[in-house]
Amino acid sequence: DIQMTQSPSAMSASVGDRVTITCRASQDISNFLAWFQQKPGKVPKRLIYAASNLQSGVPSRFSGSGSGTEFTLTISSLQPEDFATYFCLQHKTYPQTFGQGTKLEIK
Amino acid sequence: QAQLVESGGGVVRPGRSLRLSCAASHFIFTNYAIHWVRQAPGKGLEWVGVISSDGSDKYFAGSVQGRFTLSRDNSKTTVFLQMTSLRDEDTALYYCARDSTLSLRFASLDAFDIWGQGTMVTVSS
Repeated sequence: DIQMTQSPSAMSASVGDRVTITCRASQDISNFLAWFQQKPGKVPKRLIYAASNLQSGVPSRFSGSGSGTEFTLTISSLQPEDFATYFCLQHKTYPQTFGQGTKLEIK
Repeated sequence: QAQLVESGGGVVRPGRSLRLSCAASHFIFTNYAIHWVRQAPGKGLEWVGVISSDGSDKYFAGSVQGRFTLSRDNSKTTVFLQMTSLRDEDTALYYCARDSTLSLRFASLDAFDIWGQGTMVTVSS
């Protein structure tokens, strides 16, 4: 199985900060990587697909990059509504696997 | 607007069975595989399994292999997750999500764009 190691597991930041979250795959997954945002009690929402494609309707302050085994999600300028938990997902091979999540909290 | 709606969750004793449904609307159902993902209370997301667009191919996580099965009725645009021999650790919110791959042999770059709201399964004696 492919392991997805996501870091950090938690972080605190301030409105306006630039934030980067990383996912590392234990094997090459090309660009079969998606990023999701989940707020408490809500359904996960896809932000990025194919590693770097912005989901329609998602603000442009979110961006994704990477290929192969290392991927990043960047929020260029944090907004109050961005405080949430973020997950990566590899969907190249089965079983598909999620990162353990990054909880982004207000400093 | 494309929509998925899960149902069938509830409280069940260990060792018993439960069937979840995922009903789709407002998109061409036969063009999509359907995944199930679960989330235990306060925990992260765990992929459970997937069924192909025509129902002929399925994959499961090791934690549910042999206990869970998937089927679909394309005439009713519904996918079913049959869960047997339920364990305490199966307690979770179960979501379904769609995937545009037409064959599970070839991954799609466009997957998990639409999710249902989830249905809660509690396994407890």
